Parts: sequence; structure tokens; C-alpha cells
Amino acid sequence: DAKTTQPPSMDCAEGRAANLPCNHSTISGNEYVYWYRQIHSQGPQYIIHGLKNNETNEMASLIITEDRKSSTLILPHATLRDTAVYYCIVRPRYDYKLSFGAGTTVTVRA
Amino acid sequence: DGGITQSPKYLFRKEGQNVTLSCEQNLNHDAMYWYRQDPGQGLRLIYYSQIVNDFQKGDIAEGYSVSREKKESFPLTVTSAQKNPTAFYLCASRFQTSAGDETQYFGPGTRLLVL
Repeated sequence: DAKTTQPPSMDCAEGRAANLPCNHSTISGNEYVYWYRQIHSQGPQYIIHGLKNNETNEMASLIITEDRKSSTLILPHATLRDTAVYYCIVRPRYDYKLSFGAGTTVTVRA
Repeated sequence: DGGITQSPKYLFRKEGQNVTLSCEQNLNHDAMYWYRQDPGQGLRLIYYSQIVNDFQKGDIAEGYSVSREKKESFPLTVTSAQKNPTAFYLCASRFQTSAGDETQYFGPGTRLLVL
């Protein structure tokens, strides 16, 4: 009952923007979009989340389409340390858990 | 890792043995979680606790037990009933605003191996 669809892998060049897509066509009105990443053998790290407006913080930007059926995480200037598995998660407001899928393995190349 | 510590980093379990994984947080968060991760897969929820002295089963609780006697601590015991315990175990705590926004912060994980 996966709520999100992400490509299994993608490469990007160091210094360039990395655009990570996520499809969540069955999202409902009270569900947030969250992004986490997991560097190899470490615990996941929170990146950003949003409901319907675009969001930006020091790590990334989150662009959510107007119909909320898809979103894009943007890492503005990818570095080698951004190599990780990136998880897009849809979570209802006040729900108790996050449901992690397989994510997208992002490899940043020099 | 945002004030969450897990120990040990590596743990070896013998057949039929119970082992306990430690998780401590100094973030003053009410809710805490245990997840299991198998190679190449996402995280699966084992147990969670929203408040001291209360906890609920997650999706894969069989063979595991927890306690929540203190706000800061949420230890996980992997019992001998868990037949395939080899995995990466992750503890998390949750910060939630009154508006319903929340963020989970994860510890560095414990890798459990069966001898």
C-alpha cells in the first residue's frame, strides 16, 4: 500500500542542482509530504516537509504541485556528502508513524 | 544525530539469547520509536511510545519487547522468539508542534548480528 513512488536511483554532478521527484497521486488533504535521507550505515536525517506550499530551508527546497499529486526535492548545489538514500513520505497530520519505502539512491559524482 | 544516543553500535547475539538495545534522548521529546531496517530496504516500525509508561505495537512487534519507565529512555529487547534478528535497529524521538507539524530525529543505530 505504498503511498509514494520514487525512482530507484539517480546520479548528479557535484556542484549542480539535484532534483528528486516523488509521485503521491493518492494524497489526501490532511497529509504532509516529508523528505528524509539516510547516508550509508547512519540513521535517517530529516530534510524538509510541507503541506501545500513550497518550502525552503538551509538544506533543500520542496516544490509541491498545485494538485499535490507530486513533489520535487531540490538540493541546490549537490556535494559528495549528499550521496545517500532519499525517502519521500506521506504522513497524515497527527499520525503516529512514518512509513518508509525503498527511496531513491542518489549518487553525487565529482 | 540530534541528542539521541544508541548503544552499542554493534551487538552479537547467540542462539536463544535475549539482548537489549539502549536508546536515550535528551531532547525532552514525549514520543519515541523503534524501527528495524534490513539490507536494501526501508524502515519498519517495531514499537512506539507516545508517553511514559505507555507503548504500542508497530507493524512487526513479534519477538520484541520494550519498556518506557523514563521519558529519556526507551530500551528494546530482542527476545529468543525473534527468529531472524539480524538487522540495523534505529531509535527515534518525535518533536511535535501544537499545529500538528512533527519531525522525527533518529539515533545512529545498532547493528545486531547473530552468531
